[in-house]
Amino acid sequence: NAGVTQTPKFQVLKTGQSMTLQCAQDMNHNSMYWYRQDPGMGLRLIYYSASEGTTDKGEVPNGYNVSRLNKREFSLRLESAAPSQTSVYFCASTLMGTGTYGYTFGSGTRLTVV
Amino acid sequence: DQQVKQNSPSLSVQEGRISILNCDYTNSMFDYFLWYKKYPAEGPTFLISISSIKDKNEDGRFTVFLNKSAKHLSLHIVPSQPGDSAVYFCAARSGGSNYKLTFGKGTLLTVNP
Repeated sequence: NAGVTQTPKFQVLKTGQSMTLQCAQDMNHNSMYWYRQDPGMGLRLIYYSASEGTTDKGEVPNGYNVSRLNKREFSLRLESAAPSQTSVYFCASTLMGTGTYGYTFGSGTRLTVV
Repeated sequence: DQQVKQNSPSLSVQEGRISILNCDYTNSMFDYFLWYKKYPAEGPTFLISISSIKDKNEDGRFTVFLNKSAKHLSLHIVPSQPGDSAVYFCAARSGGSNYKLTFGKGTLLTVNP
């Protein structure tokens, strides 16, 4: 019962470096999401994928790209990291169309950009 | 423009008493509301939800009340337990097919023994 798995759990980057945050779910969910959590800001949506083959921007997409690799995996890429991207990143998934609206979240990736 | 607002950053209550966490929203198109609980170093976990066509939903010690005319919802925890100490997020879903949730900033609940 893994649920939503995020890797890595911690990462330190230098300004300008790139990296990809990985997310995989094993619940046969069709929709996946990337959020960031900053102190005093709550959870803000970066990108989402309503279904395999589609991706859309959320509230704070600048500086990020995403790939829905298959139904299970949804990755978030920082092409040129900036200190403003220091945050905790959460991946979530849900099964759209079933009448339940709760997301299942991963345990997060804590990213520090220096 | 914050569509989901949790105006109390923190709340402290005594064990056994009632905890009331509040949430206000501005978007009339929200059709479903959820509460999530988050412990440090963990992802948020779903707690309870309510459809916009209802005014109350109960699950054990947790009850969510919705006042659509006031665009206000609240989460009641009775009785509060020390294990309830966590950050609570209110979230709302826009009607439609994309299942995007908009979250409030969260309220840190501390239940003192």
